[in-house]
Amino acid sequence: DVKVTQSSRYLVKRTGEKVFLECVQDMDHENMFWYRQDPGLGLRLIYFSYDVKMKEKGDIPEGYSVSREKKERFSLILESASTNQTSMYLCASSLSGGVRHGGYTFGSGTRLTVV
Amino acid sequence: EDQVTQSPEALRLQEGESSSLNCSYTVSGLRGLFWYRQDPGKGPEFLFTLYSAGEEKEKERLKATLTKKESFLHITAPKPEDSATYLCAVRRGGYQKVTFGIGTKLQVIP
Repeated sequence: DVKVTQSSRYLVKRTGEKVFLECVQDMDHENMFWYRQDPGLGLRLIYFSYDVKMKEKGDIPEGYSVSREKKERFSLILESASTNQTSMYLCASSLSGGVRHGGYTFGSGTRLTVV
Repeated sequence: EDQVTQSPEALRLQEGESSSLNCSYTVSGLRGLFWYRQDPGKGPEFLFTLYSAGEEKEKERLKATLTKKESFLHITAPKPEDSATYLCAVRRGGYQKVTFGIGTKLQVIP
């Protein structure tokens, strides 16, 4: 069964820590995305990548960075975690190009709490 | 700026009581409207993609339709296992990213 796997379901980190969230997909998808989901705000795009070593800022990139060294892996980095980064983080992947787009495949999410 | 507005925010139905969820959108050059289902504590699960006005897609008790300004997700004779949050999203031409609505939380009571 094809899937997107996020390394942790729950994380608790201290303010100021550097935090790594890992995401791996086994579908050979070109595109990978990091979203955060907060009540009343919905899903907001942090960063996305359309190829290895390529990245683009989404709508809320401040305080985050990403790394994509291999096609199947996309990492989200919180350089110095703050309490306002407490959220559900969702990784997704999709095929690239063309008019017909079959939608994203999401991981199960990482619930991050920064204390 | 692309915008997606879903209504109602929450909907409570009796089992077997059919209804519709609405997704109104504003996007330049629509290249896909997507419906997802999300269960509590999980990532969204892809349901449908619609590309042009007049298109319809069906899956079990769900049917999605599309006009030039909105999409409807019709739920026929729902069951308690249909309880979830349903998300709508749009993709603009030339972009890989999509814009999501906040969702409609559906509760189906036995």
